[in-house]
Amino acid sequence: GENVEQHPSTLSVQEGDSAVIKCTYSDSASNYFPWYKQELGKRPQLIIDIRSNVGEKKDQRIAVTLNKTAKHFSLHITETQPEDSAVYFCAVNTGGFKTIFGAGTRLFVKA
Amino acid sequence: SQTIHQWPATLVQPVGSPLSLECTVEGTSNPNLYWYRQAAGRGLQLLFYSVGIGQISSEVPQNLSASRPQDRQFILSSKKLLLSDSGFYLCAWSVQRTRGAGNSPLHFGNGTRLTVT
Repeated sequence: GENVEQHPSTLSVQEGDSAVIKCTYSDSASNYFPWYKQELGKRPQLIIDIRSNVGEKKDQRIAVTLNKTAKHFSLHITETQPEDSAVYFCAVNTGGFKTIFGAGTRLFVKA
Repeated sequence: SQTIHQWPATLVQPVGSPLSLECTVEGTSNPNLYWYRQAAGRGLQLLFYSVGIGQISSEVPQNLSASRPQDRQFILSSKKLLLSDSGFYLCAWSVQRTRGAGNSPLHFGNGTRLTVT
């Protein structure tokens, strides 16, 4: 089955710096790659997603890039702010009913 | 707009007791429904998913079960809880598509924090 690896597990950056989180997947049939943000004690919420026919997508300060050949995709957050502090999960779907999640990255943005 | 309700928010249960968590979705028809579990500081593990009334698929063998008695109602149950059942349980829905949930994001409820003592 699909396997998703996410790195790093913890990331600490200074406010205003950029943060990059990377994920790799195993199933070449995967075609949908969402990213979720989970604040402490709350539910995960979708922040951005990308489909396999697109290499990059941007929404204000966040962007996602996808390399289908290498089977990895990344989340980029620019000009980080303290409210960006949360756990971020990458996820992968092969077009079926299962969305498989990475283990998560805990991001700390220091003011 | 669509909303998802999940209750209770927190629950403390003794080992061996039964469990019933309920989730309902409003504002959409024929959703795909999911139960995920999140252990402390860990990722999201898919437990069950459903594509229609009475249709349940199990991903992880365990002492939990799920039922979908109505189109927008999803219930997670156990006859006898184990200590290892403690965790944060999340219900989610996605748009029903012909070939599965594929390109549709998950929308999560607020979760139930279960502590088995």
